[in-house]
Amino acid sequence: NAGVTQTPKFRVLKTGQSMTLLCAQDMNHEYMYWYRQDPGMGLRLIHYSVGEGTTAKGEVPDGYNVSRLKKQNFLLGLESAAPSQTSVYFCASSYSVTSRGGNEQFFGPGTRLTVL
Amino acid sequence: GQQVMQIPQYQHVQEGEDFTTYCNSSTTLSNIQWYKQRPGGHPVFLIQLVKSGEVKKQKRLTFQFGEAKKNSSLHITATQTTDVGTYFCAGLSLNDYKLSFGAGTTVTVRA
Repeated sequence: NAGVTQTPKFRVLKTGQSMTLLCAQDMNHEYMYWYRQDPGMGLRLIHYSVGEGTTAKGEVPDGYNVSRLKKQNFLLGLESAAPSQTSVYFCASSYSVTSRGGNEQFFGPGTRLTVL
Repeated sequence: GQQVMQIPQYQHVQEGEDFTTYCNSSTTLSNIQWYKQRPGGHPVFLIQLVKSGEVKKQKRLTFQFGEAKKNSSLHITATQTTDVGTYFCAGLSLNDYKLSFGAGTTVTVRA
């Protein structure tokens, strides 16, 4: 199993450009998440999905859109990139979200995005 | 909303010494998880604590969940160079089952 994969690994954008980050998981997980990681701020949840066809806002959703058309894929879009969106983006997935187990999150390798 | 605070932000440790990182939540948690991120890598799940007062060990790592389920700690004994990285706690809320991550403790080890 590949686990959670992300493409691309690195990207440099100019202000105002758009791009889509792709996340794929082969563990048949229902729940998927997009985080951004900035120095000293830990991981902040951008958007998440509780199943195919569903999406919801996280802690820092502004400037991002997501789609979950297939269970195994979760896409993160930046319509008009800004320098403040320079960050490392991690996708994660989990089997469940309850305390009964299976709620640990599996992370992808990350995408390092720079917006000039 | 729920906030998870983690201290210290940085921990510089002499090889062989012990250290502890602490995690505090503003609200009662359903459970708490710990992750480790090696430099340049991605977070990797270490352990989950669910019960009030629970203590779990993984070799030299001891994880503890507070009685009120609002705080947790990770204690590492006899630190080794393989312990280098950032350790995150993440609290699962009672209401919406979302994980809130602490800012992490970045550990460096002096040989």
